[in-house]
Amino acid sequence: DTGVSQDPRHKITKRGQNVTFRCDPISEHNRLYWYRQTLGQGPEFLTYFQNEAQLEKSRLLSDRFSAERPKGSFSTLEIQRTEQGDSAMYLCASSLQDKQYFGPGTRLTVT
Amino acid sequence: GIQVEQSPPDLILQEGANSTLRCNFSDSVNNLQWFHQNPWGQLINLFYIPSGTKQNGRLSATTVATERYSLLYISSSQTTDSGVYFCAARNYGGSQGNLIFGKGTKLSVKP
Repeated sequence: DTGVSQDPRHKITKRGQNVTFRCDPISEHNRLYWYRQTLGQGPEFLTYFQNEAQLEKSRLLSDRFSAERPKGSFSTLEIQRTEQGDSAMYLCASSLQDKQYFGPGTRLTVT
Repeated sequence: GIQVEQSPPDLILQEGANSTLRCNFSDSVNNLQWFHQNPWGQLINLFYIPSGTKQNGRLSATTVATERYSLLYISSSQTTDSGVYFCAARNYGGSQGNLIFGKGTKLSVKP
């Protein structure tokens, strides 16, 4: 069990640039989740996949955000035209049933 | 949606002391998890406990689903227990993917 991995661990970008994050779930897990965490808060749900199907999207996921899981394995989260308010930790989790396992996160800083 | 409240928000302990962290939730749950977030941001699974009692070493947790609360007990605390503890829940009929997190309890254990 290698755990959930995320890449990159840190990203600094300038306002207006596009960024893409990758998440590799635990290999047998068919469910994959993205969350966002800002300083001093708990994680907030962004979106959820079961296999390759994106089943839920939060209202937090504006039209500048897009997530994919093309083959039902790894997932990518892209943010277009980044804004300073996008600065946060982006967390990925996976599960086989209910219990979710989290990756180390990607910390995004928009300057 | 379900509301999750944690108390206390901050807790300072002397090494060796015991503590109890509380999580109240506003609706019946089919998923409740406790996490420890380390200084690098990694969310570490402590317990998956929608009901009942579990123990793992110096940590134990109890969820009383009918009264809508969960407790995390830390005994003989160590400095490595420092960090933020999150409770997260999903209610029956709630979205499949969406774990709702509390704001966390920040624990500091002093040597």
